[in-house]
Amino acid sequence: EPEVTQTPSHQVTQMGQEVILRCVPISNHLYFYWYRQILGQKVEFLVSFYNNEISEKSEIFDDQFSVERPDGSNFTLKIRSTKLEDSAMYFCASSGKAGGLNEQFFGPGTRLTVL
Amino acid sequence: RKEVEQDPGPFNVPEGATVAFNCTYSNSASQSFFWYRQDCRKEPKLLMSVYSSGNEDGRFTAQLNRASQYISLLIRDSKLSDSATYLCVVLNTGFQKLVFGTGTRLLVSP
Repeated sequence: EPEVTQTPSHQVTQMGQEVILRCVPISNHLYFYWYRQILGQKVEFLVSFYNNEISEKSEIFDDQFSVERPDGSNFTLKIRSTKLEDSAMYFCASSGKAGGLNEQFFGPGTRLTVL
Repeated sequence: RKEVEQDPGPFNVPEGATVAFNCTYSNSASQSFFWYRQDCRKEPKLLMSVYSSGNEDGRFTAQLNRASQYISLLIRDSKLSDSATYLCVVLNTGFQKLVFGTGTRLLVSP
């Protein structure tokens, strides 16, 4: 069964450092997403991406965040200068279509720890 | 008011019990509704979509009341493997983002 994969599974970084979280969405999907979940809190939407551009972003997704699809398979989330409050589980998701009852499939997540 | 509200639980039930979870949402323009399941430190996984007429999948039944902006999930004959956090999720009209509730934790004991 096709699945979304993410690397690394755990990333530890120092405050102020840049991190890049990587995702490989399901191969025939066209819509890509990043969500995050701070420990003990709800899953929160960060950004959606379609046709090589951001289609929607939340207020969490400020200038420190960027996304890219550098080739035909990877989808990355970059945090330029990490803060302590960026520590969270980051989930990538993809879907074949947008909206309606089209399922978004989630990857296993990258646990980011900012020290 | 939170966009999606759920009782955080935990709900502690014995195997074989029937348990019901409720959820309310604040945006009347919400167009699609889902229940996701999340195991500890894992990704959310779709349990079932929720249709206006209500729908059933084996031991799981989901109901939607648009007038009351209320969604429910009923689990019959609980199994130990049902222990998880159940997330109420909505998709708003015109947007692609899923809006999650905080989840309701279920613990099924022998």
